[in-house]
Amino acid sequence: QVQLQQSGAELVKPGSSVKLSCKASGYTFTEYDIDWVKQRPGQGLEWIGGINTENGDTDYNEKFKGRATLTADISSNTAYMELSRLTSEDSAVYNCATTWFAYWGQGTLVTVSS
Amino acid sequence: DVVLTQTPPTLSATIGQSVSISCRSSQSLLHSNGNTYLHWLLQRPGQSPQLLIYLVSRLESGVPNRFSGSGSGTDFTLKISGVEAEDLGVYYCVQGTHAPWTFGGGTKLELK
Repeated sequence: QVQLQQSGAELVKPGSSVKLSCKASGYTFTEYDIDWVKQRPGQGLEWIGGINTENGDTDYNEKFKGRATLTADISSNTAYMELSRLTSEDSAVYNCATTWFAYWGQGTLVTVSS
Repeated sequence: DVVLTQTPPTLSATIGQSVSISCRSSQSLLHSNGNTYLHWLLQRPGQSPQLLIYLVSRLESGVPNRFSGSGSGTDFTLKISGVEAEDLGVYYCVQGTHAPWTFGGGTKLELK
């Protein structure tokens, strides 16, 4: 069955960067795009961007452009999201999901604190 | 950006009751290719969201057929025909027609 396994929780300092991973299994990796979604506690969902895992093309929400970088490694069936210049507003759960949000990872909690 | 407005924000229901959630878009979600990329998600407490309905009305594999979706253009509805305890959580509509993809604010389904 399709599974997306995300990396563990992160505690990072303001101004630093964090790189999250999302390892896919149970399907051919290049069959689906991977999207990244942010969810702050008690709040809704926000699309950060997506990557075409076959050709590496990316789309970003303007709000995150310049700070978010999406990549995909076909050899390891893993997608990555790096977010830079972190502030307290970036403290959230970050999820990866496949095309049309059909399958989701379990989420990674990122806490930005000094 | 496309704004999706969900109503009601909170819904109280008894087991077996039928309920509907509305999702209204600030612009038409009909894509130039003829598809309408409007989907419905359920997020149960402490879990990641799961896909229930895609392309307005198509039931995702494994989802009970008490869930149904309808609508077109800017107005969409998710209906649950006979709420069960496992249906409790927050429902979101999401659009993938106009970048950036955007989500509705959510509708929390509670037991009355």
